[in-house]
Amino acid sequence: QKEVEQNSGPLSVPEGAIASLNCTYSDRGSQSFFWYRQYSGKSPELIMFIYSNGDKEDGRFTAQLNKASQYVSLLIRDSQPSDSATYLCAVIRGGYQKVTFGIGTKLQVIP
Amino acid sequence: GAGVSQSPRYKVAKRGQDVALRCDPISGHVSLFWYQQALGQGPEFLTYFQNEAQLDKSGLPSDRFFAERPEGSVSTLKIQRTQQEDSAVYLCASSQDRYSGANVLTFGAGSRLTVL
Repeated sequence: QKEVEQNSGPLSVPEGAIASLNCTYSDRGSQSFFWYRQYSGKSPELIMFIYSNGDKEDGRFTAQLNKASQYVSLLIRDSQPSDSATYLCAVIRGGYQKVTFGIGTKLQVIP
Repeated sequence: GAGVSQSPRYKVAKRGQDVALRCDPISGHVSLFWYQQALGQGPEFLTYFQNEAQLDKSGLPSDRFFAERPEGSVSTLKIQRTQQEDSAVYLCASSQDRYSGANVLTFGAGSRLTVL
């Protein structure tokens, strides 16, 4: 079982819709969770991080964490074509520095 | 510097050649990470430095891979006797924080290695 699991997609949503990206992790000791965005041919860039159970909102982005279910999600409201990219989920296990990434979900926002 | 700088951006090597990839992190960033990203995959952890100390090298795929950060700033990833499966983008990332759980990474543009 991979440490961080994501559906590789592609996930296609129409412009203006809500995009929902999901991620599960295997280690219950994981304590920090990140979403990075990676445009084709570019490097990952941080969108959000979340440490506590519940929701965290930043503009059009909401990260949701459920530690009991070992599940992290990212919601993108009012999706724009410029949001089309691969979204990488990343976790850090407690007591470690290593940041482990999932395979990434490719999002396509259709105009 | 203003960002994480990597060089070379592109490297073509013949199978069996040695290559060296350089990373210059953001000034003052304590933590430095190397990742390998194959086409269509997520970044795979290779190794981690805190200042000059290599605290985790569990992701290095073989003893052909070697990384160093002798003065706690610039880092070099060296791959000896390159193989075709080494073809990938090698990403360097740095973080200001030294404490577990606080590693928000800033990535460089990457070094794309193609082994023929």
